[in-house]
Amino acid sequence: EDKVVQSPLSLVVHEGDTVTLNCSYEVTNFRSLLWYKQEKKAPTFLFMLTSSGIEKKSGRLSSILDKKELSSILNITATQTGDSAIYLCAVEAFNNAGNMLTFGGGTRLMVKP
Amino acid sequence: GAVVSQHPSRVICKSGTSVKIECRSLDFQATTMFWYRQFPKQSLMLMATSNEGSKATYEQGVEKDKFLINHASLTLSTLTVTSAHPEDSSFYICSARNSGNYGYTFGSGTRLTVV
Repeated sequence: EDKVVQSPLSLVVHEGDTVTLNCSYEVTNFRSLLWYKQEKKAPTFLFMLTSSGIEKKSGRLSSILDKKELSSILNITATQTGDSAIYLCAVEAFNNAGNMLTFGGGTRLMVKP
Repeated sequence: GAVVSQHPSRVICKSGTSVKIECRSLDFQATTMFWYRQFPKQSLMLMATSNEGSKATYEQGVEKDKFLINHASLTLSTLTVTSAHPEDSSFYICSARNSGNYGYTFGSGTRLTVV
């Protein structure tokens, strides 16, 4: 059974801090790893990672995949209160039904002013 | 691009009634759509994979007769919660894989409350 584990479960920081969120996985037929941010409604896409060691960056957010360690990290620098959300890691894998996503449990981030 | 529209966003229904949730891909064709359920403070749990023109594939523990999925066209999948009970109250989200670099696009979700 495919498995995705995120840590920490929750995190409270102050504005300006840097945070690192972790995601590890055990899946068969790995295709990609995705990061999403979820506030009140549906998740919004952040990054899609397929190649190991190549950092993807968007503003203050960056992410990298390590296929050897079966893990990924999401970094947020100079955090702002608007970064408060649940961050979801999902792994796309191929099975008999086609491609599908398995989600980790999420990391709940709270950024205090 | 790659927008998925989900309706309704919120629905309250009485126990024993059925509720239909629609998920449409607006600017791309989705041969496969996914239906998730999310309980408060928990992650998304895959319920079923909806394939256009064929039967849906349900995850273990999800009742096929209770959660009816229809994917009649390349842009529309529906989830019908039949004979709803209060324990079916949850946040239901659909998603579809798009062909760009954006991975999976999610609908805005439907919050179902069964009273």
